[in-house]
Amino acid sequence: EAAVTQSPRSKVAVTGGKVTLSCHQTNNHDYMYWYRQDTGHGLRLIHYSYVADSTEKGDIPDGYKASRPSQENFSLILELASLSQTAVYFCASSDKGAQNTLYFGAGTRLSVL
Amino acid sequence: GQQVQQSPASLVLQEGENAELQCNFSSTATRLQWFYQHPGGRLVSLFYNPSGTKHTGRLTSTTVTNERRSSLHISSSQTTDSGTYFCAIDANNYAQGLTFGLGTRVSVFP
Repeated sequence: EAAVTQSPRSKVAVTGGKVTLSCHQTNNHDYMYWYRQDTGHGLRLIHYSYVADSTEKGDIPDGYKASRPSQENFSLILELASLSQTAVYFCASSDKGAQNTLYFGAGTRLSVL
Repeated sequence: GQQVQQSPASLVLQEGENAELQCNFSSTATRLQWFYQHPGGRLVSLFYNPSGTKHTGRLTSTTVTNERRSSLHISSSQTTDSGTYFCAIDANNYAQGLTFGLGTRVSVFP
């Protein structure tokens, strides 16, 4: 079973502050993703990466930056947190194979006040 | 872009009842997955099923690719089946991950 670990599990941030969410995977997966989930909604892709030192924009990248310093680590950065960024954030990883199953971390619940 | 529509939005079952969840998508998907989200939030993959029928335990997934639809059948539901079920498809960009539907929330009562 793939292991994807997110930290912190929950965080309260102030509006305008900087927030960094971390994700670590131990399965040598090339692809990593950040999704956000709002109450009553599905998951929406923020940023993704298919190789270390490179990130790509997903469907809703505004207000977020991403960093992939190594194959194992993928961070999501909110430089100026806003109320609208209150959500649960999920990191996922997947292998390069044809059956590109996504393995998710447990999620980070972020509240911006 | 890709659209994924799931129905119904919510479902209430009495333990032992069967249920069928539907997923319709806007274009041919080369990857289709069903996920289950625990009430506590953790997401787990149930099926990778871009075409055909797959079974695991009391769950059956059937995808008809040329009709752009997939279904998830739950037989003899149990209270532990309660949670939200998501259908997700690829975004025509192999690296870009999956596009998710809004989910079907299932509640099973004893």
